Amino acid sequence: DGGITQSPKYLFRKEGQNVTLSCEQNLNHDAMYWYRQDPGQGLRLIYYSQIVNDFQKGDIAEGYSVSREKKESFPLTVTSAQKNPTAFYLCASSKEGQVYTGELFFGEGSRLTVL
Amino acid sequence: GIQVEQSPPDLILQEGANSTLRCNFSDSVNNLQWFHQNPWGQLINLFYIPSGTKQNGRLSATTVATERYSLLYISSSQTTDSGVYFCVSPLYSGAGSYQLTFGKGTKLSVIP
Repeated sequence: DGGITQSPKYLFRKEGQNVTLSCEQNLNHDAMYWYRQDPGQGLRLIYYSQIVNDFQKGDIAEGYSVSREKKESFPLTVTSAQKNPTAFYLCASSKEGQVYTGELFFGEGSRLTVL
Repeated sequence: GIQVEQSPPDLILQEGANSTLRCNFSDSVNNLQWFHQNPWGQLINLFYIPSGTKQNGRLSATTVATERYSLLYISSSQTTDSGVYFCVSPLYSGAGSYQLTFGKGTKLSVIP
């Protein structure tokens, strides 16, 4: 079945460590996104990518980094510079390369806890 | 600024009741979607509805783009309908760019 796979679902890390969250899609979508959700809140955009080897910062990019070496993959690294990394992270994709012109689909999310 | 307002913020229903959730936008609506976030956090696509009305089982949605609002109807609610409902649309943010804007959600609790 086509879809978006995020891993790991749950992750614990110590302060000062970098951690990478995986996002893979087999929908042949051009655009991919990373969102952060805090308890009781809506979603905030971290980074997005419209095509391979290109990505743009969203509203809260500080302390995060991404890469888009393959169309199917858009990993997110939460660096030690992120002051409050404990959150629920959601990856999404849409078919069209122009951002937000198509229907969004989400992965199941990754829940990161910093100890 | 760009705003998406959802109402009500919280809703408690007896199983079997009907409800209407509303989403108001500060700008023209474009590519509007409704999602249901289940208790495990997964966002499930309900409707992709830039305009008009769509139905899917007990759920239906209507978007009136010119009046900048969308409605989600849930009929004969079930406990599995519990969760948070989000509406989202890309709204023009100036300089030729759009910003995908989420509402804060409506938290629905359906009790047996």
